[in-house]
Amino acid sequence: GENVEQHPSTLSVQEGDSAVIKCTYSDSASNYFPWYKQELGKRPQLIIDIRSNVGEKKDQRIAVTLNKTAKHFSLHITETQPEDSAVYFCAGPGGAQKLVFGQGTRLTINP
Amino acid sequence: ETGVTQTPRHLVMGMTNKKSLKCEQHLGHNAMYWYKQSAKKPLELMFVYNFKEQTENNSVPSRFSPECPNSSHLFLHLHTLQPEDSALYLCASSQDWGQNYGYTFGSGTRLTVV
Repeated sequence: GENVEQHPSTLSVQEGDSAVIKCTYSDSASNYFPWYKQELGKRPQLIIDIRSNVGEKKDQRIAVTLNKTAKHFSLHITETQPEDSAVYFCAGPGGAQKLVFGQGTRLTINP
Repeated sequence: ETGVTQTPRHLVMGMTNKKSLKCEQHLGHNAMYWYKQSAKKPLELMFVYNFKEQTENNSVPSRFSPECPNSSHLFLHLHTLQPEDSALYLCASSQDWGQNYGYTFGSGTRLTVV
C-alpha cells in the first residue's frame, strides 16, 4: 500500500534552536498534508496543515514546506521552547482515500 | 474536551472477557475512525466509517468488532483479546471521509489485556 516515511525518529535540540522533521510519501494524487503533535499522555492534535496549491505555510513559530516534485514535506519549528517537547506525526496519502501517519518523531527540547 | 469523547479512559480485561469502547463526537462530522497506538506501530488505522457505513477494515482480526449506529457514535466491541492487543485505542472524526480533511482525536482508551 501507499506509505509515509518520517525522519528522524528522535530529535534533541537546545532550547532556542530550530527543529526540522521530514516526511516522504509515494502517492502523488494527494493534496493535503497535516502535522499532529502528541504530548505525553494526551491525544494527537492538529497543529498545521498544507494543501498542494502552496509550497509553504507559517503559523507563528511553526511552518510546513511542501515539495510535490520530490514528494516530501517538512515541519519547521523555530526558537524552540520546552513546551515543544512532544511526539510529532505527519500524515499523507495512503491510497483509497485515506490518510496514513508517519512513524512519529520524539522531539526533546533541552534547557 | 475537544469534541470527541471516549470512554472508558482505562480498561483492564482478561482474555475471556467481552467489553466495549465508546466514542462520541459533537462536531457534526460525517466520518469516524478507530486507530490503535502502540510502541511498535504508532497510529495504525483499524476501521473507517463514513455516514455510519464502514468504508475501511484494515485487516483487523475479528476479535475487534466495530459498530456505528449513527454519524455521532462509534463503538469497538472486544472479545477474546490477546495480550498483544494491549495499546491505546484512539477514536477520531473528520468533516468527511477522504485524504483532504484534518482529524480530531479523542483522548483514547488505554487497554490492558491480562
